[in-house]
Amino acid sequence: QSALTQPPSASGSPGQSVTISCTGTSSDVGGYNYVSWYQQHPGKAPKLMIYEVSKRPSGVPDRFSGSKSGNTASLTVSGLQAEDEADYYCSSYAGSNNFYVFGTGTKVTVL
Amino acid sequence: QVQLVESGGGVVQPGRSLRLSCIASGFTFSTFGMHWVRQAPGKGLEWVALISYDGSNKEYAVSVKGRFTISRDNSKNTLFLQMTSLRPEDTAVYYCARLPLTGTFDYWGQGTLVTVSS
Repeated sequence: QSALTQPPSASGSPGQSVTISCTGTSSDVGGYNYVSWYQQHPGKAPKLMIYEVSKRPSGVPDRFSGSKSGNTASLTVSGLQAEDEADYYCSSYAGSNNFYVFGTGTKVTVL
Repeated sequence: QVQLVESGGGVVQPGRSLRLSCIASGFTFSTFGMHWVRQAPGKGLEWVALISYDGSNKEYAVSVKGRFTISRDNSKNTLFLQMTSLRPEDTAVYYCARLPLTGTFDYWGQGTLVTVSS
């Protein structure tokens, strides 16, 4: 099972928005509404930011939003803040043969 | 609050075995499925295995199938990963994570580092 494709990096100034794409196939991202997004700061464990494509867990700011179109999911961070600088990974359920697949990861830099 | 604490990592020679543990607290462990996810140094995340809430269903990534075994002891709120025939490419930080819903890893431990090297 191949990893989902994400851009290696993305950046924006404080207050701006950044959107990260996550491209898979009809066997994972396109086939299920089970896409989630994780934020990981250096040396720390991943933190759930978005689940089931667009749902936010309690405590995650509404600056974070998710969407999906076809085989590509997206995470948008609006009103960038310094603490948003981190690595972001998408993940998708991939059915009962491959189960779960993660994205290649995107490093977000706040300029 | 939900806490997951992994242990058991270390340096091990290729071909040897190691058992990881993950102690859960702050929630009813016996009602949640659990995962192991790993991250090689400087690399991305890779799903390793999952186990259902009662241990009756277990699934593995192709890369570890036949070598790794996931299990749990609900009486001790503990998740395990028995790793055998370890290879250098198994070197990674291993995280346990909770599975409340399909496709979601909502809480993660801090991870334990496994280094496979001669």
